[in-house]
Amino acid sequence: AQTVTQSQPEMSVQEAETVTLSCTYDTSENNYYLFWYKQPPSRQMILVIRQEAYKQQNATENRFSVNFQKAAKSFSLKISDSQLGDTAMYFCAFMKPPGGSQGNLIFGKGTKLSVKP
Amino acid sequence: EAQVTQNPRYLITVTGKKLTVTCSQNMNHEYMSWYRQDPGLGLRQIYYSMNVEVTDKGDVPEGYKVSRKEKRNFPLILESPSPNQTSLYFCASSFRGGLANYGYTFGSGTRLTVV
Repeated sequence: AQTVTQSQPEMSVQEAETVTLSCTYDTSENNYYLFWYKQPPSRQMILVIRQEAYKQQNATENRFSVNFQKAAKSFSLKISDSQLGDTAMYFCAFMKPPGGSQGNLIFGKGTKLSVKP
Repeated sequence: EAQVTQNPRYLITVTGKKLTVTCSQNMNHEYMSWYRQDPGLGLRQIYYSMNVEVTDKGDVPEGYKVSRKEKRNFPLILESPSPNQTSLYFCASSFRGGLANYGYTFGSGTRLTVV
């Protein structure tokens, strides 16, 4: 069974600085998808970034980028120029290709990020 | 506006009193799913549906029922709620072909307390 591990329950960063959130996963699959979701205090789950395992290039979305190391089964999220609005719980998630399967997102336990002014 | 709508947002109920949490999406998505979120456990899938009249168990289905009679609606039913079902519940939907590309669209969550 797939598992996702986020080893940092809480982190803090100063506004405008850079922070990296760690995520490792365990799977025997070769093709899969990885996601980072953000959950601010409003509880809304917001997709931040996604990565296909077959793509070697790391995904980037504005200030958010990932470091995907397939062999090491590592998928870390880097937030550059941190803003107060980045304060949230961040979840790493794994998914096998959906075609006919349950489309189940396997979530890590989350990392609570606080951005300090 | 494209969205997943859950109701209610907050619910306090007593043990054993049947309840339904509604979920509706206006994006014509095939895929719908229910997750529960508990502190220190992340989100875990309860049930999912790949289309109308097609539902199946996720990782934590005990104590829950679902139905998918219409494409837009996917209610979560607790026939006899117990305190261990106190949790934050999320409904989510996606195009079947777009799940891997865009992930799920999540509702705003339902905070359920069973006393």
